[in-house]
Amino acid sequence: QAVVTQEPSLTVSPGGTVTLTCGSSTGAVTSGHYPYWFQQRPGQAPKTLIYDTSNKHSWTPARFSGSLLGDKAALTLSGAQPEDEAEYYCLLLYSGPWVFGGGTKLTVL
Amino acid sequence: EVQLVESGGGLVQPGGSLRLSCAASGFIFSDYWATWVRQAPGKGLEWVANIRQDGSEKYYVDSVKGRFTISRDNAKNSLYLQMYSLRAEDTAVYYCEAGHAADYWGQGTLVTVSS
Repeated sequence: QAVVTQEPSLTVSPGGTVTLTCGSSTGAVTSGHYPYWFQQRPGQAPKTLIYDTSNKHSWTPARFSGSLLGDKAALTLSGAQPEDEAEYYCLLLYSGPWVFGGGTKLTVL
Repeated sequence: EVQLVESGGGLVQPGGSLRLSCAASGFIFSDYWATWVRQAPGKGLEWVANIRQDGSEKYYVDSVKGRFTISRDNAKNSLYLQMYSLRAEDTAVYYCEAGHAADYWGQGTLVTVSS
């Protein structure tokens, strides 16, 4: 099965902007992988932020956005808040099995 | 209120079996694919299996093929994961998820495989 790669950790200043990326061992990530992004705080279940590359749920803060950036999927946080400190996971849908990335620990400092 | 509530986790010996359940409420469960995701202690999320609305398609991660079976009962708004031949590496919190776009998640049930 494919391997999905994410930055292990990133740091952003409060109010700053950061981009998390999600790559695939099979080649370029496309809209056909329907990229998802999830936020998970310690001790909590994951929460879905973005689906199908760039679509937001009603609960997704406006400061989060999803896109394709080069050959990867990307999650951009603009105007980071302390409560955004969390683990972020991407998920790519392949024909059949789905695969999560290893997660990015985002620190707001 | 939308809820997904997992149950059935616990301590089981290597080689043993366990059946997880996930009870859905507050939305039309039968309209959506449903998924099991797990998370080993201190590790990342791992997609385990999913099932089509009518149960006609099922997919599994390679590491559980032949050992785990996903099923659903739409009349009971329930999702299941039957696990056989459990190994230490199956130790994890197991989450169920459903919805149009992974909208809904349960709080998870812990499965510990240990002697």
